[in-house]
Amino acid sequence: QVQLVESGGGVVQPGNSLRLSCVGSGFTFNNYGIHWVRQAPGKGLEWVGVISSDGRTTYYADSLKGRFTISRDNSHNTLYLQMSSLRAEDTALYYCAKEIGVADLFDFWGQGTLVTVS
Amino acid sequence: QLFLTQSPSASASLGASVKLTCTLSSGHSNSPIAWHQQRPEKSPRYLMKVYSDGSHIKGDGIPDRFSGSSSGAERFLIISSLQSEDEADYYCQTWAVGFHWVFGGGTKLTVL
Repeated sequence: QVQLVESGGGVVQPGNSLRLSCVGSGFTFNNYGIHWVRQAPGKGLEWVGVISSDGRTTYYADSLKGRFTISRDNSHNTLYLQMSSLRAEDTALYYCAKEIGVADLFDFWGQGTLVTVS
Repeated sequence: QLFLTQSPSASASLGASVKLTCTLSSGHSNSPIAWHQQRPEKSPRYLMKVYSDGSHIKGDGIPDRFSGSSSGAERFLIISSLQSEDEADYYCQTWAVGFHWVFGGGTKLTVL
């Protein structure tokens, strides 16, 4: 079955960096775009960004451009989110999610990894 | 600008039906949306994709009690025979030209 497993979360001081990982299994990883979505405590879902199946194209939420970078290693079925210049407002549960099809909506989510900036 | 509007809360009795609404902003009435369920302390779960003609494609293992429909810029999630496990937050999602994905604010469903 499809699985997405995030890792790398933790407590980080403001201004520092952190890299999250998301490992996919149960599907052909390099056929799908994968997204990052975050959820601040007690709040709704916020789209962070996406990387295309081949890793050549990325798009980001306007509010995050320049601080967050998404990459992927298809040989290891792994997606990354590099976060820099972290702020308190970046504190959230970070999920990766798989697209249904090309540039499509999401059909599977990971369990999330918690990032606390403090 | 594309955005999705959802009522913050809804409630219905055990065994009853409920209809949740997601409204697309002006000019985007043809866009499909996805519904996701998030139970307390759980990650979101894809329920279905709903098209402007009302057709919908459900995720694996989603019970028949869940269905979708459309009317103009509104997309609906209908849950029948409500069970206690349906108490959750429900989010709609779509994407815009220019490659931006958007979520509604979510509806918290309480099963009475």
